[in-house]
Amino acid sequence: GENVEQHPSTLSVQEGDSAVIKCTYSDSASNYFPWYKQELGKRPQLIIDIRSNVGEKKDQRIAVTLNKTAKHFSLHITETQPEDSAVYFCAASIDSGYALNFGKGTSLLVTP
Amino acid sequence: KAGVTQTPRYLIKTRGQQVTLSCSPISGHRSVSWYQQTPGQGLQFLFEYFSETQRNKGNFPGRFSGRQFSNSRSEMNVSTLELGDSALYLCASSLAPTSGRNEQFFGPGTRLTVL
Repeated sequence: GENVEQHPSTLSVQEGDSAVIKCTYSDSASNYFPWYKQELGKRPQLIIDIRSNVGEKKDQRIAVTLNKTAKHFSLHITETQPEDSAVYFCAASIDSGYALNFGKGTSLLVTP
Repeated sequence: KAGVTQTPRYLIKTRGQQVTLSCSPISGHRSVSWYQQTPGQGLQFLFEYFSETQRNKGNFPGRFSGRQFSNSRSEMNVSTLELGDSALYLCASSLAPTSGRNEQFFGPGTRLTVL
């Protein structure tokens, strides 16, 4: 089955710096790659997603890039703020969004 | 529009018992997926239902089962509970597979503790 690896497991940055989280996937048939943010004690919330026919997508301070050849995708957060502190999960799906296979998560801490 | 709701929010059971968790999707969403979240294994896919049919299934033993009703509400059942079943169980809803909009929206989860 699909295997998604996520790095780093923890990331600490200063406010205003950029943060990058990387994921790799094993199944070349994967065609949908969402990113979720989960704050402590809360539900995962979708922050951005990308489909396999697109190489890059941006939404304000958040961007995701996809390299299908290398089978990896990355989340970029610019101008980080303390409220960006949370656990971020990447996921991959071979069924256009269903049966998501998640990475183990990255705990991001943004210090003022 | 109300979000995904799950009941109960917290549950304590003992080994060997069984448990049923409930999920009500966002109005108009017809697909429901279930995930198990633990500190060690992260988020793992259990199964997904659409039109009362199981479309996908993860790598969990047969003790884990689910179903979906005609109003798209879903339940999952875990029989013969083990200590390792202690976890946060999350359901997520999305529009129909043919909609072209596949974003999954999560509920708050049910925290299950097995003693």
